Amino acid sequence: SAVISQKPSRDICQRGTSLTIQCQVDSQVTMMFWYRQQPGQSLTLIATANQGSEATYESGFVIDKFPISRPNLTFSTLTVSNMSPEDSSIYLCSVRGLAGGETQYFGPGTRLLVL
Amino acid sequence: KNEVEQSPQNLTAQEGEFITINCSYSVGISALHWLQQHPGGGIVSLFMLSSGKKKHGRLIATINIQEKHSSLHITASHPRDSAVYICAVTPGYGNKLVFGAGTILRVKS
Repeated sequence: SAVISQKPSRDICQRGTSLTIQCQVDSQVTMMFWYRQQPGQSLTLIATANQGSEATYESGFVIDKFPISRPNLTFSTLTVSNMSPEDSSIYLCSVRGLAGGETQYFGPGTRLLVL
Repeated sequence: KNEVEQSPQNLTAQEGEFITINCSYSVGISALHWLQQHPGGGIVSLFMLSSGKKKHGRLIATINIQEKHSSLHITASHPRDSAVYICAVTPGYGNKLVFGAGTILRVKS
């Protein structure tokens, strides 16, 4: 299994500011994903974080708003830029491809409230 | 129509009852996942299936590839089983999970 940690676990931010969320995995993984879960909703994929290249964004999500880095096989960051109250959500890091396996593991999430 | 449909959306059970949550999907898949999300937000992977049946403690997951259907069973349910249960598939055409809407389970003592 994979142990995933996220920082911060929660934050309250002012509109117009930016927040960077870190995701650290205890072992190398093939794929890293960033999801958003709005209140009462299921998970929505923001992007796939690619090591050494630009992330692959889903429809409705753009790099200027959600820049992502993945410098190596165990770490990624997601920045939520120029925040508005609509960005209030849980942001989750998820990984797959641990030692070639296909089970998908999820981080504990970052609860973001934008005032 | 969503590619992954779950039923029921909400389920309330008495402690000790046998519970079944169903998942149907409309695409070819390489794997199906059952996930559990507790009120605090953390998501745990319960099972990953590509065929047959898996059992872990009081949880049993089955999949019928021909019928594109999976079930999650909880035997001797307990209030600590109260959570959202999410069915997700890894489509044969890509790497991204496709999620069902989730089933909110409440087990009363």
